[in-house]
Amino acid sequence: AQSVTQPDIHITVSEGASLELRCNYSYGATPYLFWYVQSPGQGLQLLLKYFSGDTLVQGIKGFEAEFKRSQSSFNLRKPSVHWSDAAEYFCAVGEVDEGAQKLVFGQGTRLTINP
Amino acid sequence: GAVVSQHPSRVICKSGTSVKIECRSLDFQATTMFWYRQFPKQSLMLMATSNEGSKATYEQGVEKDKFLINHASLTLSTLTVTSAHPEDSSFYICSASLGGVSYEQYFGPGTRLTVT
Repeated sequence: AQSVTQPDIHITVSEGASLELRCNYSYGATPYLFWYVQSPGQGLQLLLKYFSGDTLVQGIKGFEAEFKRSQSSFNLRKPSVHWSDAAEYFCAVGEVDEGAQKLVFGQGTRLTINP
Repeated sequence: GAVVSQHPSRVICKSGTSVKIECRSLDFQATTMFWYRQFPKQSLMLMATSNEGSKATYEQGVEKDKFLINHASLTLSTLTVTSAHPEDSSFYICSASLGGVSYEQYFGPGTRLTVT
């Protein structure tokens, strides 16, 4: 089975500062990778995804992520965070399990923004 | 596009009763729907995968007789928590997939279940 590791449980940054959330995955072939964001008490919203092609992926809300096969990483970045970015962020990888396409999620990283 | 709704958003029920949660894909037909459970400050735990017209496939450790899943149409799946107990209190999230090779899932807003 695949696995996803988000090493940072909680990150605090100041508003306007840059952000990088780490994600490492285990997968033999080219992975399908996702970043989702969850606001308190809400469902998950897709920020961006990587399937193939350009390893630098642009997403919504000014986020981007870079796929690095050599490091098995798919880190999420934003050059300047806004207070509204405070949320829980989940990295996920797609896998096939018993014929079904599923997502394997990391543990999540909680982002706090200091004013 | 690709909007998924859940109803209700919050529900409180007494111990021993059953509660049904609906998940609808509003603007697309979902080949597959998924049900997740999320404990506070934790990640999503996949409970089961369901395809329209088929029996749901439950993850290991999930009681199929307690968490009944029905996927009656390509736009509706329901999760019924039977004989609920306080330990079933949780945040339940559904998602829907278009199928194909994208693995992409569209998530509902979640349902907060509290069993008293």
